[in-house]
Amino acid sequence: AQSVTQLDSQVPVFEEAPVELRCNYSSSVSVYLFWYVQYPNQGLQLLLKYLSGSTLVKGINGFEAEFNKSQTSFHLRKPSVHISDTAEYFCAVSVGSGGSNYKLTFGKGTLLTVNP
Amino acid sequence: EAQVTQNPRYLITVTGKKLTVTCSQNMNHEYMSWYRQDPGLGLRQIYYSMNVEVTDKGDVPEGYKVSRKEKRNFPLILESPSPNQTSLYFCASSLIGTNQPQHFGDGTRLSIL
Repeated sequence: AQSVTQLDSQVPVFEEAPVELRCNYSSSVSVYLFWYVQYPNQGLQLLLKYLSGSTLVKGINGFEAEFNKSQTSFHLRKPSVHISDTAEYFCAVSVGSGGSNYKLTFGKGTLLTVNP
Repeated sequence: EAQVTQNPRYLITVTGKKLTVTCSQNMNHEYMSWYRQDPGLGLRQIYYSMNVEVTDKGDVPEGYKVSRKEKRNFPLILESPSPNQTSLYFCASSLIGTNQPQHFGDGTRLSIL
């Protein structure tokens, strides 16, 4: 079974600083990886996804993530954050094997707080 | 506009009083799912459905029921709610396939007293 570990439950940063939100996964088969963002009082929105191909994935709002198979990681980065990036971020993994498993497993989330 | 709509958004009720949270999507998605979100636990899957009349248990199905009589609707039923079901609930839908991103509703906050 797959699992996802988000190493930091909270990350406070100052505006315009760079940020990295860490995510590690475990799975014995090939995976599809996602980052979702949840703004206060809203549902989850897809930020970016890794399916195959280039290991550097670019998403919305200037975020990007790098898939590292050897380290089983999918860390999310942004070079300069804004106050509006304050939200909770969830890493998720879905395994792929003939399309028989549609289960999306989420990490416990990282609350990013951007301070002025 | 493509969306997943949940109702109600907020509900306070009492132990044992049956309730239903509705979920509807307008994207013709085959796959639908219910999650609950609790502080420090992230999202945990309750039930999912691959298509009409096809449903299966997720990680935390106890105390919940679902049905999928139409493709667009996937209601979550709490036959006898208890305080430990106080939570934030999300419905999601997607096309079939493990690489398909899920589209989420805005959530339903349930408080069971």
